[in-house]
Amino acid sequence: EIVLTQSPGTLSLSPGDRAALSCRASQGVSSTYLAWYQQKPGQAPRLLIYGASTRATGIPDRFSGRGSGTDFTLTISGLEPEDFAVYYCQQYDTSPFTFGRGTKLEIK
Amino acid sequence: QVQLQESGPGLVKPSGSLSLTCVVSGGSITSNNWWSWVRQSPRKGLEWIGEIYHSGRTNYNPSLISRVTVSADKSMNQFSLKMTSVTAADTAEYYCARRGCTGGTCNRFDSWGQGTRVTVSS
Repeated sequence: EIVLTQSPGTLSLSPGDRAALSCRASQGVSSTYLAWYQQKPGQAPRLLIYGASTRATGIPDRFSGRGSGTDFTLTISGLEPEDFAVYYCQQYDTSPFTFGRGTKLEIK
Repeated sequence: QVQLQESGPGLVKPSGSLSLTCVVSGGSITSNNWWSWVRQSPRKGLEWIGEIYHSGRTNYNPSLISRVTVSADKSMNQFSLKMTSVTAADTAEYYCARRGCTGGTCNRFDSWGQGTRVTVSS
């Protein structure tokens, strides 16, 4: 199965900062089948980005995604207080669909 | 806007079976989407379990395929998960989710239930 490694494990930043979250795949993933989710405590994951770079409905444009092959990045420009959460990448290219272990974005 | 709601027992005995149902509202399970189960535990993180399309076609995680069945009831607009021979390792938050499709490209879990906690314990 494809293993997704997310880094860093924890990212400490301040509101207004720019966050860059990495997701590396153990083998190539079609960008069409790479997604990013946000999860807050006690809530289900929420889709942010799919197709590596397409924002889901209602997602602010401060969230952007890019990448191809084995390296993907989620960037959040101008952090808002509500952005501090855990972020997961996921691949749908090859079954079983797998998730990364997440990056926790915390307030510095 | 489609909404999903899981239901089922919160406590299951070891070696028993776990059964969960996900009711879909605001949309039809006969639409062009896959209907999935995902679980989350501190040990394994987020783990995709399996899914069903309204045609009856299913996909399963190979690590769970021998113990899992996903089925759908079109008349009730709901789908279900059954997992047999459960152990403490199956203790997790269980989510149902829609894998959204655009044409033939199905590449995002765009709607999720709120989750239901299942504990395996005697």
